[in-house]
Amino acid sequence: AQSVTQLDSHVSVSEGTPVLLRCNYSSSYSPSLFWYVQHPNKGLQLLLKYTSAATLVKGINGFEAEFKKSETSFHLTKPSAHMSDAAEYFCVVSDSGSARQLTFGSGTQLTVLP
Amino acid sequence: EAGVAQSPRYKIIEKRQSVAFWCNPISGHATLYWYQQILGQGPKLLIQFQNNGVVDDSQLPKDRFSAERLKGVDSTLKIQPAKLEDSAVYLCASSLGLAEYNEQFFGPGTRLTVL
Repeated sequence: AQSVTQLDSHVSVSEGTPVLLRCNYSSSYSPSLFWYVQHPNKGLQLLLKYTSAATLVKGINGFEAEFKKSETSFHLTKPSAHMSDAAEYFCVVSDSGSARQLTFGSGTQLTVLP
Repeated sequence: EAGVAQSPRYKIIEKRQSVAFWCNPISGHATLYWYQQILGQGPKLLIQFQNNGVVDDSQLPKDRFSAERLKGVDSTLKIQPAKLEDSAVYLCASSLGLAEYNEQFFGPGTRLTVL
């Protein structure tokens, strides 16, 4: 069985300050991990993915995430927030034991203050 | 490249009525998914197709939900009869295939309100 816990339902940061969105996962098999972003009235968009290659993964728009197996974590970071980063972010796990289906976390709403 | 298309974008119905949603995946994508996203939650997989065959429908409430992908391209999801708790956004996604490195591309969703 696989599951994802996003530790914060809401995060607020000021523009230009760092962003940290936290995610812990549980998986019975070697997992693939993803971060998706959802802007209002738009489809989910893939930010980045980890598939057992480098543990530090770089994505679009300056986001990156680090896979830490010992901590079962996959936190999303960005050095400097931009107003356009305001959106809902989902941490997602997929493992080979589940026909590679995606299991989504409950989401973190990111607010960026001017 | 055109993305995943869904229609309608919004639908309001009364409980016990029926409703259908349509999805056109990205051309050439063999795998198609339907998700249900209830307000404040992450999307939950309802059904997964590979071409015109069902891979997994274990989380589909089959007493009221049905889905088909007859020609392995477009798909429809139907609810009959609808309940209040079916109010949600229904997302369609597609990918090239089942391999884990195949990214899923999502459509904009259909927002269903059941009164």
